[in-house]
Amino acid sequence: GAVVSQHPSRVICKSGTSVKIECRSLDFQATTMFWYRQFPKKSLMLMATSNEGSKATYEQGVEKDKFLINHASLTLSTLTVTSAHPEDSSFYICSASEWTVSNQPQHFGDGTRLSIL
Amino acid sequence: AQTVTQSQPEMSVQEAETVTLSCTYDTSESDYYLFWYKQPPSRQMILVIRQEAYKQQNATENRFSVNFQKAAKSFSLKISDSQLGDAAMYFCAYEESKLVFGQGTRLTINP
Repeated sequence: GAVVSQHPSRVICKSGTSVKIECRSLDFQATTMFWYRQFPKKSLMLMATSNEGSKATYEQGVEKDKFLINHASLTLSTLTVTSAHPEDSSFYICSASEWTVSNQPQHFGDGTRLSIL
Repeated sequence: AQTVTQSQPEMSVQEAETVTLSCTYDTSESDYYLFWYKQPPSRQMILVIRQEAYKQQNATENRFSVNFQKAAKSFSLKISDSQLGDAAMYFCAYEESKLVFGQGTRLTINP
């Protein structure tokens, strides 16, 4: 089945650092990938939709300059948390859909736990 | 905007018994998809079952089945013969152009 790989799985860094998270579709091509944020014991909140070769579409309230998204190929999207602060600590999850097969469900990565000290 | 509501923050069931998780949603669309995802402690999101709104027949996947009531905008999940491995957070989700998740229900299986 379709596999989405997310890396790293855990990041601990100092305040002010920029952190990059990668999301790869391993055995399929994805024109669209999604980035979610999940607070402890809460649901997933869509942050942005990443489109290959074009700008990402951000949800209301998500800072574009804070959360930079790049989708340079059909198998890779990256989320960069710039100048991270403790309030950015969270669980970030990506997902992707196969572009060659219509109406396919999203496949999720294993998530990245980000902790800003 | 579409919303998804799971009114049961927590549920528990005895092993081998049946449990039903509730979900309601709000939309003005007629064509959409509904999902149940499972999130175990490992935090990975696992697709449990999927329903297409234009299909009247309720989806089933082995021990998992749904009761889809389109007019009532209700989409409950029934787990039969509950197993210890079913313990997890369960999220109901709606998709028309993007996924919208409910608040989740934590399911505990009692041995």
